[in-house]
Amino acid sequence: GAVVSQHPSRVICKSGTSVKIECRSLDFQATTMFWYRQFPKQSLMLMATSNEGSKATYEQGVEKDKFLINHASLTLSTLTVTSAHPEDSSFYICSALVHNEQFFGPGTRLTVL
Amino acid sequence: AQSVTQPDIHITVSEGASLELRCNYSYGATPYLFWYVQSPGQGLQLLLKYFSGDTLVQGIKGFEAEFKRSQSSFNLRKPSVHWSDAAEYFCAVGALRAAGNKLTFGGGTRVLVKP
Repeated sequence: GAVVSQHPSRVICKSGTSVKIECRSLDFQATTMFWYRQFPKQSLMLMATSNEGSKATYEQGVEKDKFLINHASLTLSTLTVTSAHPEDSSFYICSALVHNEQFFGPGTRLTVL
Repeated sequence: AQSVTQPDIHITVSEGASLELRCNYSYGATPYLFWYVQSPGQGLQLLLKYFSGDTLVQGIKGFEAEFKRSQSSFNLRKPSVHWSDAAEYFCAVGALRAAGNKLTFGGGTRVLVKP
């Protein structure tokens, strides 16, 4: 199957700083990637759809100025959490779409102090 | 709008016993259905998927699932559970390409395996 990586796997930052999370498709090209957020003991919630070469499409209730998504190449999408606050602490997971199936990265644990 | 319900939040099963996880979905067309497993602090691993054809789907790790259109269900089963099957399991329904291929996840079922 297709392999998706995320970097970093975990990050701790101070409140007010920005954090960038990378999502890479390692052995294939992905026109479409997705970003999810998962709170402890909860399910995954779709944040946005990232399309290569165009603006991301955000789900209702997700602040696009807070969560900046860039999909500048067919193998890389980035999520930047701007001016992070403790309530942004969560597990962020990306996925890449291949033939109607999503392949998931291992996730990034963000802790904002 | 599509939705997925996993009625059981927790299930405890003895090692070697059978396991069935329930999943009910709501979707306006023929759905794409998936089961994923997640170990603590990890990403999601695909167990199996249903797009069309045979309604009994075989997956990895000895899992299978049956699509029942009349019941809007896609229950996951395993005949004999191993301790390594302890994890969180998510059922998901996928929209068609025209709807952006979005996945909607159920709330998850946490499986505990007793020795």
